[in-house]
Amino acid sequence: ETGVTQTPRHLVMGMTNKKSLKCEQHLGHNAMYWYKQSAKKPLELMFVYSLEERVENNSVPSRFSPECPNSSHLFLHLHTLQPEDSALYLCASSQDILAGDEFGTQYFGPGTRLLVL
Amino acid sequence: QKEVEQNSGPLSVPEGAIASLNCTYSDRGSQSFFWYRQYSGKSPELIMFIYSNGDKEDGRFTAQLNKASQYVSLLIRDSQPSDSATYLCAVNNYGQNFVFGPGTRLSVLP
Repeated sequence: ETGVTQTPRHLVMGMTNKKSLKCEQHLGHNAMYWYKQSAKKPLELMFVYSLEERVENNSVPSRFSPECPNSSHLFLHLHTLQPEDSALYLCASSQDILAGDEFGTQYFGPGTRLLVL
Repeated sequence: QKEVEQNSGPLSVPEGAIASLNCTYSDRGSQSFFWYRQYSGKSPELIMFIYSNGDKEDGRFTAQLNKASQYVSLLIRDSQPSDSATYLCAVNNYGQNFVFGPGTRLSVLP
């Protein structure tokens, strides 16, 4: 596998379910991101992990819980979601800009299309 | 509040014409600038990045940056129907402060 991969690609869940989204990057990057993209809205940055530590959390509801066990893997744990959480969830990775590689270019995975019923 | 603004469009151009996409940003400390293309239902893919004032060309694409005026643009020459997509401008100010604009929808008419 190359680039950034995400599983599952599609997910349908009820409001009482618990599920997890997985992201894996094969680019040797040290920063990973979760974004939410709803219909007709710009990308919303949810979480950033750099060197496996969370560095930014944009007041995302606690029903979303990220986990970054190492620099190659990122999870988003979901529980008691609401229908308005239905969206495309995108993972991205980059090399920390302080390392001077491509000025922090982000590379995206294919996304997980989530539907909450 | 760091903001990146784009016209939402749709911007319609005939096949073979030049498409011009514009983006303005509010943070004067921004250092690097990116253009992504996103087809409907797909994830964004990087087209170009630029960090110095002036023009940068890559095939049919030219990015233009003017830091004094705080704008960055993307020109697409010889537009093709396959260029029809949403184009996202993104701005980075070192580290993970990466802000996306809302995107401009481009439609290239055959």
